[in-house]
Amino acid sequence: KNQVEQSPQSLIILEGKNCTLQCNYTVSPFSNLRWYKQDTGRGPVSLTIMTFSENTKSNGRYTATLDADTKQSSLHITASQLSDSASYICVVSAYGNTGKLIFGQGTTLQVKP
Amino acid sequence: GAGVSQSPSNKVTEKGKDVELRCDPISGHTALYWYRQSLGQGLEFLIYFQGNSAPDKSGLPSDRFSAERTGGSVSTLTIQRTQQEDSAVYLCASSLRITSGTTDTQYFGPGTRLTVL
Repeated sequence: KNQVEQSPQSLIILEGKNCTLQCNYTVSPFSNLRWYKQDTGRGPVSLTIMTFSENTKSNGRYTATLDADTKQSSLHITASQLSDSASYICVVSAYGNTGKLIFGQGTTLQVKP
Repeated sequence: GAGVSQSPSNKVTEKGKDVELRCDPISGHTALYWYRQSLGQGLEFLIYFQGNSAPDKSGLPSDRFSAERTGGSVSTLTIQRTQQEDSAVYLCASSLRITSGTTDTQYFGPGTRLTVL
């Protein structure tokens, strides 16, 4: 069964600190992996998109990594800000089933001053 | 508009009534997706459209749910004989092309919050 699992479920850090969120998936054949940020009461917003051949991709203070061999991805947030408080969702697309995205449950990040 | 829009933003209905939720994707986007997000839960895939065609309807939770897309643009998600467990935020998204094999960004609308009493 195609699954996406994220850890930790929730995380609290102090403003200015770094953190890393994890994503493991069993989706096969793999097409691409996306990280989304979802603020409370809003729709998700795309942060990064990576294909099989990409190992890392950055978007400002967000850096995503992908290891397609071990089927693991991480999202690293540098110098966190209060506005980073949100849910971060890992999403994987299987090649062939063209439109169906498989979502992880998300990691809820709270950045405290 | 520049983004994906959904209407209504909020809908309160009585159990057993039918509801229609509307999604206006970004102009020119051929792919359109519907998701459901229950309180405190992750996103649940419902259905996607490539143009007006819905190749994968496996995510629809029951035969009370249906969706259509006309003119390659607006889509309507219909829930018949609503139940309390249908209460959730229904999110629509669109992308230039289907996600598999592409890195096209998916843009989400603000969602419709459905409450079934």
